[in-house]
Amino acid sequence: GQNIDQPTEMTATEGAIVQINCTYQTSGFNGLFWYQQHAGEAPTFLSYNVLDGLEEKGRFSSFLSRSKGYSYLLLKELQMKDSASYLCAVRGTGGGNKLTFGTGTQLKVEL
Amino acid sequence: DGGITQSPKYLFRKEGQNVTLSCEQNLNHDAMYWYRQDPGQGLRLIYYSQIVNDFQKGDIAEGYSVSREKKESFPLTVTSAQKNPTAFYLCASTPLEGHNQPQHFGDGTRLSIL
Repeated sequence: GQNIDQPTEMTATEGAIVQINCTYQTSGFNGLFWYQQHAGEAPTFLSYNVLDGLEEKGRFSSFLSRSKGYSYLLLKELQMKDSASYLCAVRGTGGGNKLTFGTGTQLKVEL
Repeated sequence: DGGITQSPKYLFRKEGQNVTLSCEQNLNHDAMYWYRQDPGQGLRLIYYSQIVNDFQKGDIAEGYSVSREKKESFPLTVTSAQKNPTAFYLCASTPLEGHNQPQHFGDGTRLSIL
């Protein structure tokens, strides 16, 4: 099975940098995804990691350490519109491209 | 534009009633998924399908049923056996080829009890 842990809530200031952590315990690992979800809306894909290291995409970066079962999402130059829930999801090796989601981290960006 | 369409956006169910949520995709994706999301919780997998006429139970399949008669369509029926159906339901799809393919989501259906 899979177990994924993320902080429930975080608060940060506009223009700052915030790091959202995700730890996982899995029986098989085949990639980790980060999604952004605004209230009442669909999740949208942000990033994907399958190998150790950092993936950068504009203001968003994601890091993975498979040996530690750890990932983080780094958001730079925070904007008010970044206030949302950030979901960490792990794909196992059981086929079907199934994902197991964490409960999400609610990020609030303040002035 | 390619995408995933869920309907209706809001749905109300009476006691003892079955209701069906629609999910259609024109992305030519092989796999489709149904998730349930409760307030403050992550997405939980109800059912998924990798190919037409085949589907598999997810973690919380009890009280739900699905069909996959066409590649584009994966409707979810919430039966009267599901005693706590109030939730946000999300449909997703993905190609099976390519290891870095994310799941793409529809806009969701919010189901409530009358």
